[in-house]
Amino acid sequence: NAGVMQNPRHLVRRRGQEARLRCSPMKGHSHVYWYRQLPEEGLKFMVYLQKENIIDESGMPKERFSAEFPKEGPSILRIQQVVRGDSAAYFCASSSSGAPQVTQYFGPGTRLTVL
Amino acid sequence: DQQVKQNSPSLSVQEGRISILNCDYTNSMFDYFLWYKKYPAEGPTFLISISSIKDKNEDGRFTVFLNKSAKHLSLHIVPSQPGDSAVYFCAASYNTNAGKSTFGDGTTLTVKP
Repeated sequence: NAGVMQNPRHLVRRRGQEARLRCSPMKGHSHVYWYRQLPEEGLKFMVYLQKENIIDESGMPKERFSAEFPKEGPSILRIQQVVRGDSAAYFCASSSSGAPQVTQYFGPGTRLTVL
Repeated sequence: DQQVKQNSPSLSVQEGRISILNCDYTNSMFDYFLWYKKYPAEGPTFLISISSIKDKNEDGRFTVFLNKSAKHLSLHIVPSQPGDSAVYFCAASYNTNAGKSTFGDGTTLTVKP
């Protein structure tokens, strides 16, 4: 059973470009969470999605960031007009349920570098 | 306002000894606590968890203790092994928050052979 897949693993963008990060959850998982980790910090919750629905986006910046989890295909975290402060590791996690007692499985992350 | 705090950025212990990692939280609504282990260039891996109705949970060499009145939890690793060297994150969530976890900044554990 393949784990959570994220691609690309490394992404370099120039300021003003768009970044698209993909996350394929574990088979059978319909709940996806995105977290961001800045250097020397912990993971910060961004958004929680369940197939085709955004459940909680309280951690998402109001502008330039969006996320989706379509019926078919991976979840996408999209960052428009990237700035240097967007440079971070972005982790996706999936679970079979939204209950906190249900284990979330993390992907290896996408390291975004904005030049 | 950081709701989950790991005040020790790093910890070094000798192989075979006990490692104790600490975590404090401020939000009384948290009722579920987790520890994750993270190696460089990998995502966090779930290690052990504890519900607020318990004060201890044990899984092999790993034990988590919860002191609700002090809003404090700790992870004990006995005996420590070099392969335990990693960054350990404490995280907390609550039932009405649908699995969204709040993480501490992590403690880097180094176990010396």
